[in-house]
Amino acid sequence: AQSVTQLGSHVSVSEGALVLLRCNYSSSVPPYLFWYVQYPNQGLQLLLKYTTGATLVKGINGFEAEFKKSETSFHLTKPSAHMSDAAEYFCAVRMYGGATNKLIFGTGTLLAVQP
Amino acid sequence: AAGVIQSPRHLIKEKRETATLKCYPIPRHDTVYWYQQGPGQDPQFLISFYEKMQSDKGSIPDRFSAQQFSDYHSELNMSSLELGDSALYFCASSLVGSWRESSYNEQFFGPGTRLTVL
Repeated sequence: AQSVTQLGSHVSVSEGALVLLRCNYSSSVPPYLFWYVQYPNQGLQLLLKYTTGATLVKGINGFEAEFKKSETSFHLTKPSAHMSDAAEYFCAVRMYGGATNKLIFGTGTLLAVQP
Repeated sequence: AAGVIQSPRHLIKEKRETATLKCYPIPRHDTVYWYQQGPGQDPQFLISFYEKMQSDKGSIPDRFSAQQFSDYHSELNMSSLELGDSALYFCASSLVGSWRESSYNEQFFGPGTRLTVL
């Protein structure tokens, strides 16, 4: 069965500091991987995705993530945090191919950005 | 660009009442997914429909049912509501195309319906 583990339910960084949100997945085959952001009282917005090809993917708002098969990881980073990045971030996995397209989400990481 | 539309955005019900949530996918999308996000929880997959047929089922209670109509919109019907049903219900849509294709199909999420059961 596939699963997603996000280390750290709360992460706090200073404005301008590096953002690193950790995500590890469990899957018997290479999955599709996603990061979603959720602002308070809003829906889920796709930040970036990995399907195939280049393992370093760039998303919106300056975020990027690197798929590391050997580490089964897909950590999200941003070089310099901005106050507007404060939100909850969900890592998700979807099985490659097949009839099941459902997303399996991690438990989320709440990012706080301090001035 | 058109997005996924969900209605209502907010719904307050009493215990044991029924509720119907609606989802209008992005035009030309053929697949709809329903997710439930409890307070402080991650979204949990409930059910999905592809071309009006149920394609996958997750942790959806028997009190809930859903369907996808000929215009591809979907409705989630919830009966005998319980306090624990209070959550944010997301609908997502995607264009799957042929199941024989191992192709990526991004899910686009709607803003959600916040259901509160009193």
